[in-house]
Amino acid sequence: DAKTTQPNSMESNEEEPVHLPCNHSTISGTDYIHWYRQLPSQGPEYVIHGLTSNVNNRMASLAIAEDRKSSTLILHRATLRDAAVYYCILRSNNNDMRFGAGTRLTVKP
Amino acid sequence: DVKVTQSSRYLVKRTGEKVFLECVQDMDHENMFWYRQDPGLGLRLIYFSYDVKMKEKGDIPEGYSVSREKKERFSLILESASTNQTSMYLCASRGMTSVPYEQYFGPGTRLTVT
Repeated sequence: DAKTTQPNSMESNEEEPVHLPCNHSTISGTDYIHWYRQLPSQGPEYVIHGLTSNVNNRMASLAIAEDRKSSTLILHRATLRDAAVYYCILRSNNNDMRFGAGTRLTVKP
Repeated sequence: DVKVTQSSRYLVKRTGEKVFLECVQDMDHENMFWYRQDPGLGLRLIYFSYDVKMKEKGDIPEGYSVSREKKERFSLILESASTNQTSMYLCASRGMTSVPYEQYFGPGTRLTVT
């Protein structure tokens, strides 16, 4: 199974943009890139996903490298409520998703 | 809104007890999953089910079994609980009729085995 690598933790200031990186050098051509986040005391929730092109939704943007070996989740203006663990996951054809340890984002006021 | 509910938020059991963790979803989703979450290890997949009466082993199935007799319910069973099964257990469901095949998670059950 293709794996992802993320930094253990990152810090951001409130109201500033945050770029959360993810490396997936062994990604296959049909793997989708998914991002989930887990707020304190809750189960993970879907954030965004993409295949090749950059994607935007109301929560975030996803920038995918041209070779697809890395991607970046972008929160345009971090708020205190964005403090969470962010997971970058590859979804393969069999639709299984394996979550790693993720990146713990701390947002400072 | 999709709802995934788990039978308990907190559970304390003794070593050797048989433990049932129940998960129910109300969106007629085909797929259901059980994960455990431990500090520094993220979520690890225990078992999953693509449909009623179907089950597949995940990455760490040892010491666990599952049951899916009805589409909306997926049970995780610890036949003889041990202290190393103390963990947060998360259930998820997923429909296969539309992208992004988003997984919806329950709030989790924190199980302590003493």
